[in-house]
Amino acid sequence: RKEVEQDPGPFNVPEGATVAFNCTYSNSASQSFFWYRQDCRKEPKLLMSVYSSGNEDGRFTAQLNRASQYISLLIRDSKLSDSATYLCVVAVSGGGNKLTFGTGTQLKVEL
Amino acid sequence: DGGITQSPKYLFRKEGQNVTLSCEQNLNHDAMYWYRQDPGQGLRLIYYSQIVNDFQKGDIAEGYSVSREKKESFPLTVTSAQKNPTAFYLCASAPPGALYEQYFGPGTRLTVT
Repeated sequence: RKEVEQDPGPFNVPEGATVAFNCTYSNSASQSFFWYRQDCRKEPKLLMSVYSSGNEDGRFTAQLNRASQYISLLIRDSKLSDSATYLCVVAVSGGGNKLTFGTGTQLKVEL
Repeated sequence: DGGITQSPKYLFRKEGQNVTLSCEQNLNHDAMYWYRQDPGQGLRLIYYSQIVNDFQKGDIAEGYSVSREKKESFPLTVTSAQKNPTAFYLCASAPPGALYEQYFGPGTRLTVT
């Protein structure tokens, strides 16, 4: 079983739609959680951290469910510019502060 | 402008040759990382360094070597021992106190034929 699992998609949605991605992780000792965004053939960029209480940044909302070991990302009012691959990232504290990346979920927002 | 630079963007080599990928940062970050990304796979950690003159193997270090002689620089050598070197290589660094919030360079696409 992969340490971090994501549905690869692609998710094709019309502009203005709300879309949600889920991610599950296997290591119960995981302590830090993130969503990164990666545009085609570019480097990943940190989108947002994910906290137990949930957090929101504009149209983006991230949630963490420790009991079920899953993380979600909700995007409201999708824009064409949201088209990218969204990477779920998990870290276990210590051990060099290493991140474990999911394979990503591809989002395509269409007119 | 602060940031991470990787050069070159595209690199082509013949099988059996060693090749060194450059990574430089002027963000004053202590921690630096090398990953490779293959189609359909998540980023995999090759090597990381938390301080100058010190580095540790990541999950897939075989066939790679690194050095960290300066805080700003963390070059990666892909040796001829690496069986599948063709990949997208990404360098990252992280600030003190936020070691999980990594900043990535633009990457180098290495093709070995």
